[in-house]
Amino acid sequence: NAGVTQTPKFQVLKTGQSMTLQCAQDMNHNSMYWYRQDPGMGLRLIYYSASEGTTDKGEVPNGYNVSRLNKREFSLRLESAAPSQTSVYFCASSAGTGPSYEQYFGPGTRLTVT
Amino acid sequence: GENVEQHPSTLSVQEGDSAVIKCTYSDSASNYFPWYKQELGKRPQLIIDIRSNVGEKKDQRIAVTLNKTAKHFSLHITETQPEDSAVYFCAASGLSGAGSYQLTFGKGTKLSVIP
Repeated sequence: NAGVTQTPKFQVLKTGQSMTLQCAQDMNHNSMYWYRQDPGMGLRLIYYSASEGTTDKGEVPNGYNVSRLNKREFSLRLESAAPSQTSVYFCASSAGTGPSYEQYFGPGTRLTVT
Repeated sequence: GENVEQHPSTLSVQEGDSAVIKCTYSDSASNYFPWYKQELGKRPQLIIDIRSNVGEKKDQRIAVTLNKTAKHFSLHITETQPEDSAVYFCAASGLSGAGSYQLTFGKGTKLSVIP
């Protein structure tokens, strides 16, 4: 099993450009998440999908959109990138959204917006 | 929503000594508290977790304690080794407004183990 995979690994964008970060999991998990990680800020939840067909905002959703394409795939879109979106983005998945399901993280995408 | 505070932000210990990282949380309804380890350039990985009906859990050299009354929990690493050097994140799982559980993370502790 590959677990959680993300593409691309690195990306440089100019301000105003758009892009989509891809995430896939092969663990048959119901729930998927997008986090951003900034120095000294920990991991902050952007959006999550409790199950196929549903998505909800997390702590920092502004400037992002998501699509739960099917049970395996959950994408994050930046419509008009801003320098404040320079960050490392992690996708994660879990079997469910109950109170004690372990979240498994992907390898991350390092995004720089100039 | 939930707020998780983590201290210290950096910690240096001599190899073989113990390390303790502390977290507090705000939502008394939170009931699951995982700890993640993130090595440089890698993804976060779960190392231990504790549920609210348990006060302490141990796994070899690492242990976690939980005080629900005081709303704080701690990670203890004994006999530290250089490979323990990493950033450690605590988290608390609480119910979101949408009716599902979300993890709220602390800001992390960078642990350096000096050989």
